[in-house]
Amino acid sequence: AIRITQSPSSLSASTGDRVTITCRASQGISSYLAWYQQKPGKAPKLLIYAASTLQSGVPSRFSGSGSGTDFTLTISCLQSEDFATYYCQQYYSYPPLFGQGTKLEIK
Amino acid sequence: QVQLVQSGAEVKKPGASVKVSCKASGYTFTSYGISWVRQAPGQGLEWMGWISAYNGNTNYAQKLQGRVTMTTDTSTSTAYMELRSLRSDDTAVYYCARCGGNSLPDAFDIWGQGTMVTVSS
Repeated sequence: AIRITQSPSSLSASTGDRVTITCRASQGISSYLAWYQQKPGKAPKLLIYAASTLQSGVPSRFSGSGSGTDFTLTISCLQSEDFATYYCQQYYSYPPLFGQGTKLEIK
Repeated sequence: QVQLVQSGAEVKKPGASVKVSCKASGYTFTSYGISWVRQAPGQGLEWMGWISAYNGNTNYAQKLQGRVTMTTDTSTSTAYMELRSLRSDDTAVYYCARCGGNSLPDAFDIWGQGTMVTVSS
C-alpha cells in the first residue's frame, strides 16, 4: 500500500495568515492526490483533486501543488471558517489511504 | 441537488452485525461508485472499500476482508454496507462517498452525513 505522511499534525495560525500543509507519498503517485476539509461533527468536504484542481465552489484562497511524492496545500489568507482539520488522500492505487490529518487552530 | 443520505445511528452488541444504507439522489447512480470511510472517535479517516454502482464490482480494505459486504440496489439508488462480528473498535462514524464507477480509485466528491455506529455490551 502507498502510505501518506502528512505534516504538521497541528498548526496554530491567525486570521489573515498564509499556511501550508504538506503530504509525502511513500512512492510516486503522479498527481492523484486530493485534499479534504473536515469541521467538527461534519462530513469531509473535497477541496482539491488532481493535486491542484479546485473543486467547484471552493474559494480561490485554497491552492494545491506538487506531483510525484511531495504535495502541498496552501491557504493564502486564512478566514475564520477555515479553522478545521485537513486531510490529504492518494488515489493512485488501492487502497486509497488518507494522511493522518492536520488540525488548524486559531492562535 | 446531488446528495447522499444515510440511515440513522445504530447501537449494537459485540458479535452482532450492522447494515448502513446510503441513498443517492440528483445524479445517475449507475454512472459512479460508492466508497465507505469510517472515523473512530477523535481519529482520522479510514477507507473501508468501494463498490461500482454500474456492475457491483467491489474492492475491500484488507483488514476488513471477510467481515464487510457492500451492495447496491439500483432500483432505489441505494448503497449498503454490512459489517459483521462487530467489536468495540468498530465504534465509529461511517460515511459513504461518491467516487468513480470504474475499477480505478478516484477522489470522493460527495459525502453522506455520516452514521454513528456504537458497539457496546
